[in-house]
Amino acid sequence: DTEVTQTPKHLVMGMTNKKSLKCEQHMGHRAMYWYKQKAKKPPELMFVYSYEKLSINESVPSRFSPECPNSSLLNLHLHALQPEDSALYLCASSQDRGNRAETQYFGPGTRLLVL
Amino acid sequence: AQSVTQLGSHVSVSEGALVLLRCNYSSSVPPYLFWYVQYPNQGLQLLLKYTSAATLVKGINDFEAEFKKSETSFHLTKPSAHMSDAAEYFCAVKVVYGGATNKLIFGTGTLLAVQP
Repeated sequence: DTEVTQTPKHLVMGMTNKKSLKCEQHMGHRAMYWYKQKAKKPPELMFVYSYEKLSINESVPSRFSPECPNSSLLNLHLHALQPEDSALYLCASSQDRGNRAETQYFGPGTRLLVL
Repeated sequence: AQSVTQLGSHVSVSEGALVLLRCNYSSSVPPYLFWYVQYPNQGLQLLLKYTSAATLVKGINDFEAEFKKSETSFHLTKPSAHMSDAAEYFCAVKVVYGGATNKLIFGTGTLLAVQP
């Protein structure tokens, strides 16, 4: 099973709302990633968790707050977002055994619209 | 810094024709390269990856890519296009930081259209 699941599939929120995106994998992977993908653009890395600890934050604004409660689950908490934050948010996971050849497996994404 | 460049943001082929999607890399260390496909409104699916074991890499759905160090290229090919191949294709290079921390850097993507 090489499945990464993400919920919800679609999300519409106002600029004053607080919402959360959820990502789950049961492949025993120890690295999990959040990417942001704007329309007709490639994915851009936001955060990386390795063994449940934040290892990379690509200078993401604080209105995005990641959380890794356990090795299978990754959340992205959203607060006071701007319309330009509207995008497809992709989650990915990989084994993280230090092997550069490891594959990152992607979920289907959450399409976020900020009004 | 490591990077990949995809030449041609749009490629159109006829059904049954050869597919060629171009990717060039820049890296001061032996690169680990990946090709992903993204169908409309979906996530990314791995097609194939280069890990230095063999220069010709075969992937899913009859796609393959050849690593050419002299040309710093990793072009994706398929002998005969199907309508179902219409999608966005991304080339990516893996950047490794200390320990096991790593990330993918993607090219700008190539949108493949397949004409009947």
